[in-house]
Amino acid sequence: DGGITQSPKYLFRKEGQNVTLSCEQNLNHDAMYWYRQDPGQGLRLIYYSQIVNDFQKGDIAEGYSVSREKKESFPLTVTSAQKNPTAFYLCASSSGGRAYNQPQHFGDGTRLSIL
Amino acid sequence: RKEVEQDPGPFNVPEGATVAFNCTYSNSASQSFFWYRQDCRKEPKLLMSVYSSGNEDGRFTAQLNRASQYISLLIRDSKLSDSATYLCVVAMNSGYSTLTFGKGTMLLVSP
Repeated sequence: DGGITQSPKYLFRKEGQNVTLSCEQNLNHDAMYWYRQDPGQGLRLIYYSQIVNDFQKGDIAEGYSVSREKKESFPLTVTSAQKNPTAFYLCASSSGGRAYNQPQHFGDGTRLSIL
Repeated sequence: RKEVEQDPGPFNVPEGATVAFNCTYSNSASQSFFWYRQDCRKEPKLLMSVYSSGNEDGRFTAQLNRASQYISLLIRDSKLSDSATYLCVVAMNSGYSTLTFGKGTMLLVSP
């Protein structure tokens, strides 16, 4: 089945540790996105990528890093500089062209907590 | 003013009722509009795109009012399974820019 796979489903981070969240899609989508959702809040964009080897900062990029070495994959690293990492992290993708009029499709998310 | 505003609810309705949500957006350059549904502790899922002429998908009807900068979602004959949070989503006409999500309106349908 085509879709977006995020792993792990749950992740715990120790103080000072970097952790990486995986996002893989087999939809042949060009654009991929990372969002963070806090309880009672809307989704906030962390990073997005329009094409392989290119990515742009979103609204809350500080403390995060990404790479886009393959079309299918867009991993997110939560660094130790992100002091409040506890949240629900969602990866999404959309097809190419004028992406603003293309809906985004989401993976089932990773819940990150601090130990 | 927030970019996309929604009444957080919850809207409590009995099965079979008709319920409507509105969403207002602040940027008049917004070009694309969507409604997503998000179940508790799950990912958002696309419910429907919203077209200028309005569109209907079964029990769901979406309308766009560009002059007043709001979109609406009407749900007829509510089912228990419609209980969820409904997210209003807006995109600007700026290439690969981003979607702006509202915080959502919670709907609770009771027997």
